[in-house]
Amino acid sequence: TQLLEQSPQFLSIQEGENLTVYCNSSSVFSSLQWYRQEPGEGPVLLVTVVTGGEVKKLKRLTFQFGDARKDSSLHITAAQPGDTGLYLCAGAGQAGTALIFGKGTTLSVSS
Amino acid sequence: ETGVTQSPTHLIKTRGQQVTLRCSSQSGHNTVSWYQQALGQGPQFIFQYYREEENGRGNFPPRFSGLQFPNYSSELNVNALELDDSALYLCASSRNLDAGLEQYFGPGTRLTVT
Repeated sequence: TQLLEQSPQFLSIQEGENLTVYCNSSSVFSSLQWYRQEPGEGPVLLVTVVTGGEVKKLKRLTFQFGDARKDSSLHITAAQPGDTGLYLCAGAGQAGTALIFGKGTTLSVSS
Repeated sequence: ETGVTQSPTHLIKTRGQQVTLRCSSQSGHNTVSWYQQALGQGPQFIFQYYREEENGRGNFPPRFSGLQFPNYSSELNVNALELDDSALYLCASSRNLDAGLEQYFGPGTRLTVT
């Protein structure tokens, strides 16, 4: 069974701090995606990483895919209150087109 | 370009009843997937529909069933509701099977079973 473990589960920080969220698995994934979900809404796709070792940047967010394609990280620089939300990583399941999600990291940034 | 829409937004049902949730896919998308998200958890894959046929199913019992229509909209039906079925039900569409991982989610339907 393919599983994605996210850590930490909860993170509460002050505006301006940096943080890193981790997504780990014992399985190899062809790609990983990161989503952000706000209360009462569906997940919004932030990025897809495909190649082992790949690094993608989205403004203050940096995403990295592990060399072995079993893990990924999301780093946020100078967090802002608008970054508050549930961050989910997801990978393609064995069926190929279904997404397997981690449990998510709930981030709270206070001003 | 119209995004994914779902209806209703909230629903309260009693244990044993049946429910139908609806989803309109994003314009130009022909593949629809349904997920269940319990409180404090990530979404779990229920099933996927492509060109009106089921194209993969997660670990959910047969009382969870679905349909996709010629216009690519979709329904999720749940029979004999149980308390544990209380969750946010998410619909996601993608352009086609090859782009299946690039899924765009609707806002969800919050189902409460009492």
